[in-house]
Amino acid sequence: AQKVTQAQTEISVVEKEDVTLDCVYETRDTTYYLFWYKQPPSGELVFLIRRNSFDEQNEISGRYSWNFQKSTSSFNFTITASQVVDSAVYFCALSGSSGGGADGLTFGKGTHLIIQP
Amino acid sequence: ETGVTQTPRHLVMGMTNKKSLKCEQHLGHNAMYWYKQSAKKPLELMFVYNFKEQTENNSVPSRFSPECPNSSHLFLHLHTLQPEDSALYLCASSQEKAFNTEAFFGQGTRLTVV
Repeated sequence: AQKVTQAQTEISVVEKEDVTLDCVYETRDTTYYLFWYKQPPSGELVFLIRRNSFDEQNEISGRYSWNFQKSTSSFNFTITASQVVDSAVYFCALSGSSGGGADGLTFGKGTHLIIQP
Repeated sequence: ETGVTQTPRHLVMGMTNKKSLKCEQHLGHNAMYWYKQSAKKPLELMFVYNFKEQTENNSVPSRFSPECPNSSHLFLHLHTLQPEDSALYLCASSQEKAFNTEAFFGQGTRLTVV
């Protein structure tokens, strides 16, 4: 069985601070993919990144960066110089090869990020 | 705009009503999904369709009935719902039903059962 844990239910920071959202996962698959999605107040989940289990290279996209560490089964997400528009619920998700896509994505409970002006 | 459109955005229905949620994707994808998002719970996968064929039903009660007439449209028919079915229902699509493809989500239908 797959599981994704986002221990931080809510984080509140002041604009321009850096913030890291934690994600820990469990899977028996050797081949799997990890995802981050952003859910703004409008409701839709917006895809941010996909990372496969064989690529542990960290990735940076503008103010966003992701740290994948297989040894600790973590895939953390950092926002640098946060902005009010970053306020949203962020979901980490996992998809494994054993389900062949049939299981869809296994989501964490999400972290509500509040950026105060 | 993700290319996945859901209607209605909000729905209030009584426990004896029958209603339908609609999802349409303009991305040329072959797989479509229904997810349920309840407060303080992870998103739950309800149904999966691949090339119009239902491939998964994650133990969803029969009061939820999906329909996929073509690869671009997905419906969720609702009847005799319970108050605990109140949630945000999200539709998603992906290029194919594969574990390595990202899904694109609609804005959801906020359902309230009274």
